[in-house]
Amino acid sequence: TQLLEQSPQFLSIQEGENLTVYCNSSSVFSSLQWYRQEPGEGPVLLVTVVTGGEVKKLKRLTFQFGDARKDSSLHITAAQPGDTGLYLCAGALGSGGSNYKLTFGKGTLLTVNP
Amino acid sequence: DAGVTQSPTHLIKTRGQQVTLRCSPKSGHDTVSWYQQALGQGPQFIFQYYEEEERQRGNFPDRFSGHQFPNYSSELNVNALLLGDSALYLCASSWATSGYTFGSGTRLTVV
Repeated sequence: TQLLEQSPQFLSIQEGENLTVYCNSSSVFSSLQWYRQEPGEGPVLLVTVVTGGEVKKLKRLTFQFGDARKDSSLHITAAQPGDTGLYLCAGALGSGGSNYKLTFGKGTLLTVNP
Repeated sequence: DAGVTQSPTHLIKTRGQQVTLRCSPKSGHDTVSWYQQALGQGPQFIFQYYEEEERQRGNFPDRFSGHQFPNYSSELNVNALLLGDSALYLCASSWATSGYTFGSGTRLTVV
């Protein structure tokens, strides 16, 4: 069974602070995806990282995939209240194309206070 | 362009009953996956449908079954409901190497 562990589980910070969320596994994934989920909604895809060591930036969000493709991090610079939500990492295993399933971590619940 | 549409949004059922949840994928997507998200947990993979066949299945009992129709829409059926089946059921659609697009889910409460 492939497991993804996310830390911290809960994070409450003030607007303007920086933060990092971690996602670790003992398994190798073909790719890793980060999602953000708001209450009453489904997860929304933020980024997919595929190559070990890959770094992707999405405005104030920086995503990194570990060299061994077992871990990932999400760094948010100057957090804003609109960043509040549940951040989920998900490892993809599959044979290519749309033939893959996602294994999700439990998520990090981020609250950014104004 | 409509994304993934799920119905109903909320549902209350009694233990032992059966339930059917419905999903219309995003336009252009041909693969539908179903996930169960219990409170405080990440989504768990139930199964995936492609070309009207179940292509992959997670660690869920046979009480969970599904179907995909020629128009790519899908249904999730759960028989003999248990209290532990209470969760948010998410449908996600995809095409080729696109990422998943999730619907807003169906909140199922079993009493």
